[in-house]
Amino acid sequence: QKEVEQNSGPLSVPEGAIASLNCTYSDRGSQSFFWYRQYSGKSPELIMFIYSNGDKEDGRFTAQLNKASQYVSLLIRDSQPSDSATYLCAVLSGTYKYIFGTGTRLKVLA
Amino acid sequence: DVKVTQSSRYLVKRTGEKVFLECVQDMDHENMFWYRQDPGLGLRLIYFSYDVKMKEKGDIPEGYSVSREKKERFSLILESASTNQTSMYLCASRVENQPQHFGDGTRLSIL
Repeated sequence: QKEVEQNSGPLSVPEGAIASLNCTYSDRGSQSFFWYRQYSGKSPELIMFIYSNGDKEDGRFTAQLNKASQYVSLLIRDSQPSDSATYLCAVLSGTYKYIFGTGTRLKVLA
Repeated sequence: DVKVTQSSRYLVKRTGEKVFLECVQDMDHENMFWYRQDPGLGLRLIYFSYDVKMKEKGDIPEGYSVSREKKERFSLILESASTNQTSMYLCASRVENQPQHFGDGTRLSIL
């Protein structure tokens, strides 16, 4: 069974700090990796995707991928209370099947 | 902007009813997906469709069927609703090799 593991949290960080969210996956053949943000009662919203080893930055968000360690992370700089949500890591296994982690709940304290 | 529209935000049905959940996307996406999301279990894939009239089972297809007669519309059918199908249902679509985007979700309660 292919899996994606995330710490469920909550991860609490003060406003303005860097939040670091981590994810490990079991399918060594995976090539595409995604981070979704989900507010309570809402649907997931894509915030980052990464296909190559290394870092990818978009505004306050940085996704990091290490395929050798089967590890994906999301950094949120200058965290805001509006960043408080559950963050889902997803891995594309094969052509069509996305495997989702159960999410990490982030709380940014004002 | 990608727009994936699910027909209902909230739905209440009775055990044994046949239930239809509709999903429409306006971006000519080839691939469409149905998931359910339950606390502690995350998103689980029920069915997906890689093109019109094509469908594939996901991880939990039992008790569900799907229909994709037109490219923009992907329907999920609960043949005979049961209480263990109470859940949040999420539709997603994508162009192949691009990220998928989700609709707003349907919170379905089976009484």
